[in-house]
Amino acid sequence: AQKITQTQPGMFVQEKEAVTLDCTYDTSDPSYGLFWYKQPSSGEMIFLIYQGSYDQQNATEGRYSLNFQKARKSANLVISASQLGDSAMYFCAMREPSGGGADGLTFGKGTHLIIQP
Amino acid sequence: EAEVAQSPRYKITEKSQAVAFWCDPISGHATLYWYRQILGQGPELLVQFQDESVVDDSQLPKDRFSAERLKGVDSTLKIQPAELGDSAMYLCASSLVGGEQFFGPGTRLTVL
Repeated sequence: AQKITQTQPGMFVQEKEAVTLDCTYDTSDPSYGLFWYKQPSSGEMIFLIYQGSYDQQNATEGRYSLNFQKARKSANLVISASQLGDSAMYFCAMREPSGGGADGLTFGKGTHLIIQP
Repeated sequence: EAEVAQSPRYKITEKSQAVAFWCDPISGHATLYWYRQILGQGPELLVQFQDESVVDDSQLPKDRFSAERLKGVDSTLKIQPAELGDSAMYLCASSLVGGEQFFGPGTRLTVL
């Protein structure tokens, strides 16, 4: 079973509209972290936002917010007032710390977001 | 602003040749990761170092891939021999222990 599922391969959104990118995850570990990264066509991975499993409030960073629904195991990214520069691939990722310090990220397959003028 | 450095940015090689990638993490970051990203997919972890020690290499194809971080600072990832299926973006990331991972610009490998 996939640990991170992103069900939207691609999305087209009008500029200035809000957009929600879906992410569901699968883990039995009570302690985990959820991340969203943006990857423009140039290839670099840009960190956007983080949510810890024990965080009581949804994370926010500027125009980015994370809609964390723990019981549903979902961590959707919300981008408010989308801009042309938001066009990119977006990846949801999870960190599950394990014994020995291993904490590499598990990524979903990504959503290709295109903002239209 | 501190960044993760990687070189080369692009590499074209023929199958059966050896290829090596270099990564210099953000100063002070003890943890270093190598990921492979095949076109159209998300990155997959290959290896994680804590200082000079390997913490996780469970997904590293050890018959052809090797990674080292001899002095606990910069790191080299090697493929010998390269195969057509190795064509991908190779991403390096670093972090403080348990902290957020910062990614480098990546090395885009094409195997002909």
